[in-house]
Amino acid sequence: TQLLEQSPQFLSIQEGENLTVYCNSSSVFSSLQWYRQEPGEGPVLLVTVVTGGEVKKLKRLTFQFGDARKDSSLHITAAQPGDTGLYLCAGAGGGSQGNLIFGKGTKLSVKP
Amino acid sequence: AAGVIQSPRHLIKEKRETATLKCYPIPRHDTVYWYQQGPGQDPQFLISFYEKMQSDKGSIPDRFSAQQFSDYHSELNMSSLELGDSALYFCASSLGQSRSPLHFGNGTRLTVT
Repeated sequence: TQLLEQSPQFLSIQEGENLTVYCNSSSVFSSLQWYRQEPGEGPVLLVTVVTGGEVKKLKRLTFQFGDARKDSSLHITAAQPGDTGLYLCAGAGGGSQGNLIFGKGTKLSVKP
Repeated sequence: AAGVIQSPRHLIKEKRETATLKCYPIPRHDTVYWYQQGPGQDPQFLISFYEKMQSDKGSIPDRFSAQQFSDYHSELNMSSLELGDSALYFCASSLGQSRSPLHFGNGTRLTVT
């Protein structure tokens, strides 16, 4: 069974700090996606990483896919209160590309 | 831009009742996916449809069924509801099945009492 483990589960930081969220698995994934979910809303796709070692940047967010395509990280620079939310990583579960296995998520709180 | 529309947003049912959740994908999207997210849990894949045919099946209970109609909207039918069915049910849509990003709706919150 493919599993994605995210750490930390909870993170509370001050505005301006940097942080890294990790997504690890013992399985190889053809791609990994990162989503952000606000309370009462659906997950919103942030990025998809496909190639081992790939690095993608989205403003202050940097996403990295491990060389072996088993892990990924999300680094946020100079966090802002607007970054507060639940960050989920997800990988294709072997079925259709929409059959995603999600990690348990990292709940980020950025205090002003 | 149009997003995935789900209705109703909230639904309260009693045990053993039935419920129908509806999903209207983004225009021209031909693939829909259903997910269940329990309180404090990650989303779990239930089932998906491509061009009105079931394309993949996940952890969907036998008490649930779903279909995709000719206008590409989808309905999730839930019978003999149990307390444990209380969750957020998300629908997502995409264009095709090959690396097209998923767009999630805002979900239907089902409460079974």
